[in-house]
Amino acid sequence: DVKVTQSSRYLVKRTGEKVFLECVQDMDHENMFWYRQDPGLGLRLIYFSYDVKMKEKGDIPEGYSVSREKKERFSLILESASTNQTSMYLCASRPTSGGASEQYFGPGTRLTVT
Amino acid sequence: AQSVSQHNHHVILSEAASLELGCNYSYGGTVNLFWYVQYPGQHLQLLLKYFSGDPLVKGIKGFEAEFIKSKFSFNLRKPSVQWSDTAEYFCAVNGNYQLIWGAGTKLIIKP
Repeated sequence: DVKVTQSSRYLVKRTGEKVFLECVQDMDHENMFWYRQDPGLGLRLIYFSYDVKMKEKGDIPEGYSVSREKKERFSLILESASTNQTSMYLCASRPTSGGASEQYFGPGTRLTVT
Repeated sequence: AQSVSQHNHHVILSEAASLELGCNYSYGGTVNLFWYVQYPGQHLQLLLKYFSGDPLVKGIKGFEAEFIKSKFSFNLRKPSVQWSDTAEYFCAVNGNYQLIWGAGTKLIIKP
């Protein structure tokens, strides 16, 4: 079974703090994704990576950065957390960029910024 | 622009009722379509997918979806829902590197 793990299920941070969210997958997948999930808005893509050290902006990259130094790990960084970044953050991985391959999701990190 | 539209944000049904959740997409390339489900407190998981062949796709837990190319639709159906089907359902279509997601439909089944 594919396993995608995220470092924390719940996180509370203060405005202005630097926040690191970690994601690890154990199936040697090439592609990894970071989304945020907000009620009524579905999933919005923040960043994705199609290979080690490669990254592409998604639909809402402002205020975020990412790092992929190893194939299995994809980190999301909030440079200076703000209250509008309070959300559920989902990490996903996929074997290749092929259209028919599904994405596998982690359990999510619910981040609250106060 | 590529997009996915889910018609209903909230659906409330009684047990044993039939279910149909609408999904329409806008995408110019070869289409691959997905339905994902998120049960309360659980991670998103694949319900079913279409990538070619028979437009009627069967998934887990008795769900099915029909790809109608002329209508740009991929509606999810289940003939008789159960209380355990309470969840949020997301439709998605493949983009170039990423999936394009609908806003989701929250389904509540009354026992």
